[in-house]
Amino acid sequence: DTEVTQTPKHLVMGMTNKKSLKCEQHMGHRAMYWYKQKAKKPPELMFVYSYEKLSINESVPSRFSPECPNSSLLNLHLHALQPEDSALYLCASSQPRQAREQFFGPGTRLTVL
Amino acid sequence: KQEVTQIPAALSVPEGENLVLNCSFTDSAIYNLQWFRQDPGKGLTSLLLIQSSQREQTSGRLNASLDKSSGRSTLYIAASQPGDSATYLCAVDRETSGSRLTFGEGTQLTVNP
Repeated sequence: DTEVTQTPKHLVMGMTNKKSLKCEQHMGHRAMYWYKQKAKKPPELMFVYSYEKLSINESVPSRFSPECPNSSLLNLHLHALQPEDSALYLCASSQPRQAREQFFGPGTRLTVL
Repeated sequence: KQEVTQIPAALSVPEGENLVLNCSFTDSAIYNLQWFRQDPGKGLTSLLLIQSSQREQTSGRLNASLDKSSGRSTLYIAASQPGDSATYLCAVDRETSGSRLTFGEGTQLTVNP
């Protein structure tokens, strides 16, 4: 099974709302990633968790807060977002060593009003 | 800093044609190179991964090559079909520990029936 699932598929939120994005994989991968993708652009790395520890934070604003409760789950908590944060948010997973092939989920389309 | 360039940015071909997508990168100290496909509004699908010690990988009608010393990779698609229409992204992973993909801007492929 090479599937990464993400919920919800679509999310519309106001600038004062708090919401969370969820990602799950059952491939036994121990590295998980959050990416942000704007229209017609490649994905931009936001966070990397390796063995459930945050290993990379690409200077992402604190209104985005990642969490890795266990080796299969990755959350992204959202608070006080801006309209320019509207984008497709992608989750990916891989083994931290060996091939390190990344597998992506279908994404959550976020719209901030 | 690693930079990845994909040429051409867009390509339109008739069905049945063989085609080549190009990817170049500035820093040859890579761990692996991955080719992805992305349909509009969807996540990324991993097509092929080439480890830095490998020269090529094949999957069905797809063949990817890697020339690490010259900083180039190509994705060859044989007998193209309308279902191959998508954006193709090339991404390189750095050599150091901890996966971090650097993406090219992608090639938007249209295969006309």
